[in-house]
Amino acid sequence: NAGVMQNPRHLVRRRGQEARLRCSPMKGHSHVYWYRQLPEEGLKFMVYLQKENIIDESGMPKERFSAEFPKEGPSILRIQQVVRGDSAAYFCASSSGTHYGYTFGSGTRLTVV
Amino acid sequence: AQSVAQPEDQVNVAEGNPLTVKCTYSVSGNPYLFWYVQYPNRGLQFLLKYITGDNLVKGSYGFEAEFNKSQTSFHLKKPSALVSDSALYFCAVRASGGSSNTGKLIFGQGTTLQVKP
Repeated sequence: NAGVMQNPRHLVRRRGQEARLRCSPMKGHSHVYWYRQLPEEGLKFMVYLQKENIIDESGMPKERFSAEFPKEGPSILRIQQVVRGDSAAYFCASSSGTHYGYTFGSGTRLTVV
Repeated sequence: AQSVAQPEDQVNVAEGNPLTVKCTYSVSGNPYLFWYVQYPNRGLQFLLKYITGDNLVKGSYGFEAEFNKSQTSFHLKKPSALVSDSALYFCAVRASGGSSNTGKLIFGQGTTLQVKP
């Protein structure tokens, strides 16, 4: 049973480009969470999704960031027109329910140059 | 406001000595508390959690944590540290009940544990 799969592991984008980060949850998990880890900081919650629904996006920046978790396929975190301040590690976690623990992926490290 | 504090940026211990990594929290309702460990360029690995029951929780790799409701603390401990325990440790809390019950975690800023031979 594969764990939470995130790709790519490393992503380099120039300012103004788009970044797409993918997360495939563990088999049987229908709850996906995205977190961002800025350098020298802890993880900050961004968004919580279930299949085809955004449940809580209280941690998402108001502009340029969006997330989806379609019926088929991985969850996608999309960052439009990236800026240097978006450089961070983005972690996805999945769960089988809100009362259960998470399993984290290994993260995508985004570098904006 | 809900928050987690890890007052020490770094903890240094000698191999074989006991270690403690401190965590205090502030949350409405009954807390669900977690400890995770992160090795360089890796994701977070679950160590242990407190939901209810015994205040002393045992987890992976010989770690344990003590829930203290009156002090709102959940310190991570290990009786005998190993060099391989050197990593970044995060405490996290999730509030139970009400509109906060989406499962999202609030993390502390992390404590680097350095175990020297």
